[in-house]
Amino acid sequence: EAGVAQSPRYKIIEKRQSVAFWCNPISGHATLYWYQQILGQGPKLLIQFQNNGVVDDSQLPKDRFSAERLKGVDSTLKIQPAKLEDSAVYLCASSPYTEAFFGQGTRLTVV
Amino acid sequence: QKEVEQNSGPLSVPEGAIASLNCTYSDRGSQSFFWYRQYSGKSPELIMSIYSNGDKEDGRFTAQLNKASQYVSLLIRDSQPSDSATYLCAVNIWRIQGAQKLVFGQGTRLTINP
Repeated sequence: EAGVAQSPRYKIIEKRQSVAFWCNPISGHATLYWYQQILGQGPKLLIQFQNNGVVDDSQLPKDRFSAERLKGVDSTLKIQPAKLEDSAVYLCASSPYTEAFFGQGTRLTVV
Repeated sequence: QKEVEQNSGPLSVPEGAIASLNCTYSDRGSQSFFWYRQYSGKSPELIMSIYSNGDKEDGRFTAQLNKASQYVSLLIRDSQPSDSATYLCAVNIWRIQGAQKLVFGQGTRLTINP
């Protein structure tokens, strides 16, 4: 069974630029999460989708972050404009019900 | 109060000893509990799930759950240098409007010394 796919693996951008991350979950998994993990901290939930609907985006900085899940499958997370404090690893995870499985993550560096 | 709390460590354990990692959570209604292992520069990997009070063993790993005390632990027996990693506790927290969200603790960094 294929795992969660994410791209790109690494991205370096200047502050105020925009960036987008892509995630393809495990086939059949209804729940998709985006987490932000800052070095030395645990993953912080940004947004949760159930099929193609948003369940929770309470910790998503909506003035600069947006996310969508296309046809209940792939998802994109966008940051515009980026700030220095957005430097982190962005993790996508999918879940069939309770357990979640992570992709390799995208390491974003904002300079 | 944080929803999921762990001692961030670092925790240092000699090779061959038992490593004990602890986690507390705030939501009494939580039903699903997980331990993830995260090597430096890698993404979290699910290593244990536990849903009922008591112990669950898988190889050298034992997860323990006490819902009355809102406490989850992970024991690693015969610790190996390859067990050196950050261990993340995760709990499914119920929202008022239904649906669960998976919340992580800050992680405990474990080092096994040869």
